[in-house]
Amino acid sequence: GQSLEQPSEVTAVEGAIVQINCTYQTSGFYGLSWYQQHDGGAPTFLSYNALDGLEETGRFSSFLSRSDSYGYLLLQELQMKDSASYFCAATLSGGATNKLIFGTGTLLAVQP
Amino acid sequence: DGGITQSPKYLFRKEGQNVTLSCEQNLNHDAMYWYRQDPGQGLRLIYYSQIVNDFQKGDIAEGYSVSREKKESFPLTVTSAQKNPTAFYLCASKSGSTDTQYFGPGTRLTVL
Repeated sequence: GQSLEQPSEVTAVEGAIVQINCTYQTSGFYGLSWYQQHDGGAPTFLSYNALDGLEETGRFSSFLSRSDSYGYLLLQELQMKDSASYFCAATLSGGATNKLIFGTGTLLAVQP
Repeated sequence: DGGITQSPKYLFRKEGQNVTLSCEQNLNHDAMYWYRQDPGQGLRLIYYSQIVNDFQKGDIAEGYSVSREKKESFPLTVTSAQKNPTAFYLCASKSGSTDTQYFGPGTRLTVL
């Protein structure tokens, strides 16, 4: 089957750096996205990697290694508002359709 | 403002009743998606549509139905055949040129 594995919970303190890992087992892999979801809210797009390497967007960076079927999201200078769930999602190329398969999410708790 | 709207935000229904969840977008996106999210879980794909008058089953389509008569609209019907319909339902859309999906605010359905 197709699956993405993430740690269920991560805790860090304000100002610190945290890395959320994602390993995937999929067929037709096209790229890896990261989404943030605050409690009760809609997921919002953070970052996307189609190629190996690091993508940086402000305090957030995302990394992909296709050979290892692995990626991570790096959050720097953590703020309290970063407390949320973070999902990795694999884009699968299936004909004209690019479906997303989501991981089960990592709940990040930022403490003062 | 462009975006995706879902209504209502909270919905209560009695067991055995069909219910239709609304999803409208004015982003001029061709692709639209319906996901289900259960507490502490990732998003699971119910149905998706790439163009008007065409849609495909996702991973958990049983007990659900959709229509795509207009580009802007992709309503989801939760039928009485869905054994465990209480969940958070999220609609998303995507343009053809990117892999980024944009999510609506969600509808929390509770079946009593």
